[in-house]
Amino acid sequence: QKEVEQNSGPLSVPEGAIASLNCTYSDRGSQSFFWYRQYSGKSPELIMFIYSNGDKEDGRFTAQLNKASQYVSLLIRDSQPSDSATYLCAVKRFSGGYNKLIFGAGTRLAVHP
Amino acid sequence: DVKVTQSSRYLVKRTGEKVFLECVQDMDHENMFWYRQDPGLGLRLIYFSYDVKMKEKGDIPEGYSVSREKKERFSLILESASTNQTSMYLCASSLQGQIRAEAFFGQGTRLTVV
Repeated sequence: QKEVEQNSGPLSVPEGAIASLNCTYSDRGSQSFFWYRQYSGKSPELIMFIYSNGDKEDGRFTAQLNKASQYVSLLIRDSQPSDSATYLCAVKRFSGGYNKLIFGAGTRLAVHP
Repeated sequence: DVKVTQSSRYLVKRTGEKVFLECVQDMDHENMFWYRQDPGLGLRLIYFSYDVKMKEKGDIPEGYSVSREKKERFSLILESASTNQTSMYLCASSLQGQIRAEAFFGQGTRLTVV
């Protein structure tokens, strides 16, 4: 079992719809959770960070965390073609005295007009 | 403006060559990381460093080594390049000891070993 699991997609949604991206993790000691967006040929950029249970909203993005279920999700409202990218879930845990950031394989999102 | 800079955007090397990938950050971050990214496998951690001259193996260290002589610079070394090391290599840095501790990435180096 991978430490951070994501559905590889592609997830195809029409413009204006809500895109829902999911991520599960295996280590209950994980402390904080990140969503990165990566356009083709580019490096990842951080779009959301969450560390406590519940929802966190930033513009059209909402991150949801449920530590009991070891589940974190990203909702993108009013999806735009410019949101088409790969979304990487990352989990930070403290291991052996250091912070380690573990990434999932990413979900490819395609928003069609 | 935070910056992580990798020395090359594209690199083509021959099998058996020793390859150096350089990464420099200007944010005074303690942590630096090297990942490789392959289709369907996501970002896999090769090595990371939490301080000058300190290093820790990640998930796939075989065939690689690293060097961190200065805080701002972290080098990845392929001792004898092989075709299965053809990949996108991403360097990142972050602060130590903070719950947020997001990673900032360089632009990536696409390495092709022929």
